[in-house]
Amino acid sequence: AQKITQTQPGMFVQEKEAVTLDCTYDTSDPSYGLFWYKQPSSGEMIFLIYQGSYDQQNATEGRYSLNFQKARKSANLVISASQLGDSAMYFCAMSGWGKLQFGAGTQVVVTP
Amino acid sequence: EAQVTQNPRYLITVTGKKLTVTCSQNMNHEYMSWYRQDPGLGLRQIYYSMNVEVTDKGDVPEGYKVSRKEKRNFPLILESPSPNQTSLYFCASSYGTGENTEAFFGQGTRLTVV
Repeated sequence: AQKITQTQPGMFVQEKEAVTLDCTYDTSDPSYGLFWYKQPSSGEMIFLIYQGSYDQQNATEGRYSLNFQKARKSANLVISASQLGDSAMYFCAMSGWGKLQFGAGTQVVVTP
Repeated sequence: EAQVTQNPRYLITVTGKKLTVTCSQNMNHEYMSWYRQDPGLGLRQIYYSMNVEVTDKGDVPEGYKVSRKEKRNFPLILESPSPNQTSLYFCASSYGTGENTEAFFGQGTRLTVV
């Protein structure tokens, strides 16, 4: 069975600072994908970044990077230079066997 | 524009009154699924469909039905809604089920059952 764990229910971060959101996972599948989604207060789910289990390099997308440590089964999201618009709920998810398994989410509030 | 469209966005209903939440995608995706989102639990899969006429249960299927008569549509049916089905619902689609398959989400349907 797959499991995704996000241990930080919420966090505050100052504008322009970097923030790391933790995500650990457990799976017996040799091949899987890890995703991060952002959910602003308006409710929609916005895809941020993807990391494949066989990818050698950490994924990056603009200010988002994924710190993938396969041996530790972690896939932390790093947001550099936080902006007020980054205030949202962030979900880590893992794909496998035809579905996405989501973590409980981390609420991020960016303060001026 | 590629999108997944859910309707309605907001719905308040009474216990026991059958309702349907529609979901339609214009990307010719084979795979579609329904999730519910509850505080502290993230998104949990209700049902999914690999293709037309092929559906299967997810993690929390009790109290829900789905159908996939056409590739683009995947409605969620609550035959007899109860207050514990008050939640935020998302429909999602993807072109496949591989590890690198990005899911595209609808805007969400906020359902309240009183």
